[in-house]
Amino acid sequence: EPEVTQTPSHQVTQMGQEVILRCVPISNHLYFYWYRQILGQKVEFLVSFYNNEISEKSEIFDDQFSVERPDGSNFTLKIRSTKLEDSAMYFCASSGGRNEKLFFGSGTQLSVL
Amino acid sequence: GENVEQHPSTLSVQEGDSAVIKCTYSDSASNYFPWYKQELGKGPQLIIDIRSNVGEKKDQRIAVTLNKTAKHFSLHITETQPEDSAVYFCAATRGAAGNKLTFGGGTRVLVKP
Repeated sequence: EPEVTQTPSHQVTQMGQEVILRCVPISNHLYFYWYRQILGQKVEFLVSFYNNEISEKSEIFDDQFSVERPDGSNFTLKIRSTKLEDSAMYFCASSGGRNEKLFFGSGTQLSVL
Repeated sequence: GENVEQHPSTLSVQEGDSAVIKCTYSDSASNYFPWYKQELGKGPQLIIDIRSNVGEKKDQRIAVTLNKTAKHFSLHITETQPEDSAVYFCAATRGAAGNKLTFGGGTRVLVKP
């Protein structure tokens, strides 16, 4: 079965540094998403992306966050200046259509020190 | 906004027994309810979903029931097997399946051989 691939699986960074989390969605998918899960808390929606623009974003997704599809295969989440509270597991997901199921990647565990 | 509560947080069952996980939601406009299974080191995988126009859906040993009036939905796993051990998440959203999902807190299921 096709998979959503996320790299790296673990990332450690210093507070204030920029990080880029990378995702390769399933090749024919058109809708892309980022979710995150802080340890001990619920999985939270961050942003959805379609046709090279953000479709929807949560209140968490402030000016420190940005997403990009730099080429035909990658989908990235950038955190401009990381904070301690950004430490979480970040999941990328993709779907083939607006009303189709989401496929999630295995996640990137981000630790901000 | 939507709030989804999930119970229990942990569930231990004997192999062959049934497991039931319950979720309640707050937004009466929610109409799509997926269930995800997350195994160690992997991202959430959709195992079954239900829309608000049906009350029950079954797929082999897994079934989901929905009570719109009471705003709750449940996952039923029959004849549990050790490979059913995982964390299970319920979620809810309004409109398309690709809209922002609101997740429950997860249930860690352990099936004892």
